[in-house]
Amino acid sequence: KAGVTQTPRYLIKTRGQQVTLSCSPISGHRSVSWYQQTPGQGLQFLFEYFSETQRNKGNFPGRFSGRQFSNSRSEMNVSTLELGDSALYLCASSLGGVIEQYFGPGTRLTVT
Amino acid sequence: AQSVTQLDSHVSVSEGTPVLLRCNYSSSYSPSLFWYVQHPNKGLQLLLKYTSAATLVKGINGFEAEFKKSETSFHLTKPSAHMSDAAEYFCVVSVGADGLTFGKGTHLIIQP
Repeated sequence: KAGVTQTPRYLIKTRGQQVTLSCSPISGHRSVSWYQQTPGQGLQFLFEYFSETQRNKGNFPGRFSGRQFSNSRSEMNVSTLELGDSALYLCASSLGGVIEQYFGPGTRLTVT
Repeated sequence: AQSVTQLDSHVSVSEGTPVLLRCNYSSSYSPSLFWYVQHPNKGLQLLLKYTSAATLVKGINGFEAEFKKSETSFHLTKPSAHMSDAAEYFCVVSVGADGLTFGKGTHLIIQP
């Protein structure tokens, strides 16, 4: 069974631009969660989608948004990028909920 | 609100000696607790989980953790360290449908 895949793996953007990251969950998984990992703040929960609906949201500004498609694939969008958005963005999928999440390798975003 | 504190940012042990990574949690309700491991340039892998069943939880690669409600602790142990155990370890708490709340991580160093 293929694992969680994230594209692209690396991304360099300029301050003020926007970016879209993609996550393909494990086949059959309907829940997709997104996390941000930085050296200063550690790992922080962004949001979770289940059956195309946002079910839970962390404490991030509205510049961070996401969506989930009918095939459970998910995208995360960050608008008006700031230097502080430079991070590893991790996606995790599960059948439903957080009890057994499987993580992808992450997308490393660098904002210059 | 829930939180988790990993008491050591770095732990160094010799190969073949026991490993102890300490974690305390705070939660208003019965939590689910997890340990995840992250090897360099890799995604997170679930080591073990506690979800209100047996208090001693066995995970992969010889790791185990004990849930102690009276001490609000969930320490991770392994009887004999192997070089391949060198990685970053995260203690994680979740309550209900909330997303995962991660500790800051413990960097485990294995000395030959």
